[in-house]
Amino acid sequence: GAGVSQSPSNKVTEKGKDVELRCDPISGHTALYWYRQSLGQGLEFLIYFQGNSAPDKSGLPSDRFSAERTGGSVSTLTIQRTQQEDSAVYLCASSLDRDRKNIQYFGAGTRLSVL
Amino acid sequence: GNSVTQMEGPVTLSEEAFLTINCTYTATGYPSLFWYVQYPGEGLQLLLKATKADDKGSNKGFEATYRKETTSFHLEKGSVQVSDSAVYFCALKTSGTYKYIFGTGTRLKVLA
Repeated sequence: GAGVSQSPSNKVTEKGKDVELRCDPISGHTALYWYRQSLGQGLEFLIYFQGNSAPDKSGLPSDRFSAERTGGSVSTLTIQRTQQEDSAVYLCASSLDRDRKNIQYFGAGTRLSVL
Repeated sequence: GNSVTQMEGPVTLSEEAFLTINCTYTATGYPSLFWYVQYPGEGLQLLLKATKADDKGSNKGFEATYRKETTSFHLEKGSVQVSDSAVYFCALKTSGTYKYIFGTGTRLKVLA
């Protein structure tokens, strides 16, 4: 595929359930980023991967949030014991590497609704 | 801290009208500035960028000039089309970082 792919595109879950969101970056991109887009707010940085390691997890809002990346490619963002305030669009982006000159390319996002 | 402030939306214009979406920023050092566009159901796409003061980014008829003295990066287009209807995000990245700081987005609706 040519772009960043995210799945599912929409997820509805009940409060207290765990959810997993998947991101397939552009092939060859070593850097991967997760953002959260809440209603009426800008994009909020969550976590950054370089290869399989996450040197910056500073944006994760609580210990219910975790992410991993395997094989330097696919990443999964996991939210445990979901709360209603977790409802948002979760966006993934990738770039060739972490150099600031490299543009981040975004997926279409996963819209999470917690009932 | 670093921040980006965009004008509130939605902005509704008639086709062929002139567009301005204001964006101002606060940042240490010399950030790079960006405009991203999000069409319905799609991810964010880079529209244009500028990496130093007085640079003008341009693409698809859109322009924005990096104004250090006013810490602004306003988006303009001389004649909008219905297909320009989308949400526009202003963003910055500071030197040595990889994080984007985004504004809240401005929804543009262009009527035929």
